Amino acid sequence: GDSVTQMEGPVTLSEEAFLTINCTYTATGYPSLFWYVQYPGEGLQLLLKATKADDKGSNKGFEATYRKETTSFHLEKGSVQVSDSAVYFCALKEAGGFKTIFGAGTRLFVKA
Amino acid sequence: DTAVSQTPKYLVTQMGNDKSIKCEQNLGHDTMYWYKQDSKKFLKIMFSYNNKELIINETVPNRFSPKSPDKAHLNLHINSLELGDSAVYFCASSRGAGDTQYFGPGTRLTVL
Repeated sequence: GDSVTQMEGPVTLSEEAFLTINCTYTATGYPSLFWYVQYPGEGLQLLLKATKADDKGSNKGFEATYRKETTSFHLEKGSVQVSDSAVYFCALKEAGGFKTIFGAGTRLFVKA
Repeated sequence: DTAVSQTPKYLVTQMGNDKSIKCEQNLGHDTMYWYKQDSKKFLKIMFSYNNKELIINETVPNRFSPKSPDKAHLNLHINSLELGDSAVYFCASSRGAGDTQYFGPGTRLTVL
């Protein structure tokens, strides 16, 4: 079945550092890909998404590109802030299906 | 105006009890979900309803029973609670099955 693998955390960075959180997937066909973010004590919220190969999703300085050839959707941000500290989830929606499959989440700590 | 709300926010109960968690969304969405998040932040889909019809029913003990009285509500009833049921339970909704999901704030269930 379809699956999502993302890098294990926690990831600890200093403010203004460059962030990459790796995400790879296994899927049949062309799934839609998502990054969700969960701030402490809250539910998940959509950060960005891409629905077809080579699409780039972007929001709040974060971006990720749907790479069909490497089955990846890595999350990047050029300069992180303390307020970016959260858990980040990569997810895919099965092509032609109902289910969204989430990765295990990567916790990010940003130090001032 | 809270888009997806859950009650209660915290639930502490004894093993063997029966409890319910309620979820309501005011987004006009057709699809609603229940997820379980464990202490390591792993998110597992439990159920999903689309227009009050069950469309996702993952391998979950029979003690868990969802109920959707209308498109705006999806409740979760748990019988004979066990220690392993302790987790944070999230309700979510989406416009259609598999679309971007909007999560509630979560219900932290502790079984003693």
